[in-house]
Amino acid sequence: NAGVTQTPKFQVLKTGQSMTLQCAQDMNHNSMYWYRQDPGMGLRLIYYSASEGTTDKGEVPNGYNVSRLNKREFSLRLESAAPSQTSVYFCASWYTEAFFGQGTRLTVV
Amino acid sequence: RKEVEQDPGPFNVPEGATVAFNCTYSNSASQSFFWYRQDCRKEPKLLMSVYSSGNEDGRFTAQLNRASQYISLLIRDSKLSDSATYLCVVRVGNQFYFGTGTSLTVIP
Repeated sequence: NAGVTQTPKFQVLKTGQSMTLQCAQDMNHNSMYWYRQDPGMGLRLIYYSASEGTTDKGEVPNGYNVSRLNKREFSLRLESAAPSQTSVYFCASWYTEAFFGQGTRLTVV
Repeated sequence: RKEVEQDPGPFNVPEGATVAFNCTYSNSASQSFFWYRQDCRKEPKLLMSVYSSGNEDGRFTAQLNRASQYISLLIRDSKLSDSATYLCVVRVGNQFYFGTGTSLTVIP
């Protein structure tokens, strides 16, 4: 039972490069979320998807796009990475509680 | 104003001590409340949900005061393994809001 699987675990990008963070859950949850975590800021919501086919902006959506590919998968894309996007990214799926992926440590240089 | 506010600490306590964390939330329409634990460089994991009647799980007790809009977590007989960051989480509709976390270090 894998829960939430998030890839990659680490990534270094140059400013202006693009990348997609992948997330998949095997718990049949409707709701999936992308957060970023920065020191002193806590977890901040980037985007969420309440159900397959829907996505909504969270607190800090600028510079990101998402795709809810199907019920299992919810990806996060950085089209043109900036140093301000250096962070730890967590994907989560929620039902009565949240289950998190292991995180992606992204550095933009 | 932040949706959820926590004292960031750090709290440094000796083994066996009792320690309490508080958290306040701003939205009176908040529906569900949780405490999560996060170890260094790991993902958050559910410690316990918080109910209006209060709930206890071993050495951990969580309380919710809706009138004052605060949530508390009490840890009794602290263990070294309790060292972590404790996150207060509040659900409003489809959105979940996290506090910045309270850091706890239990000292031998």
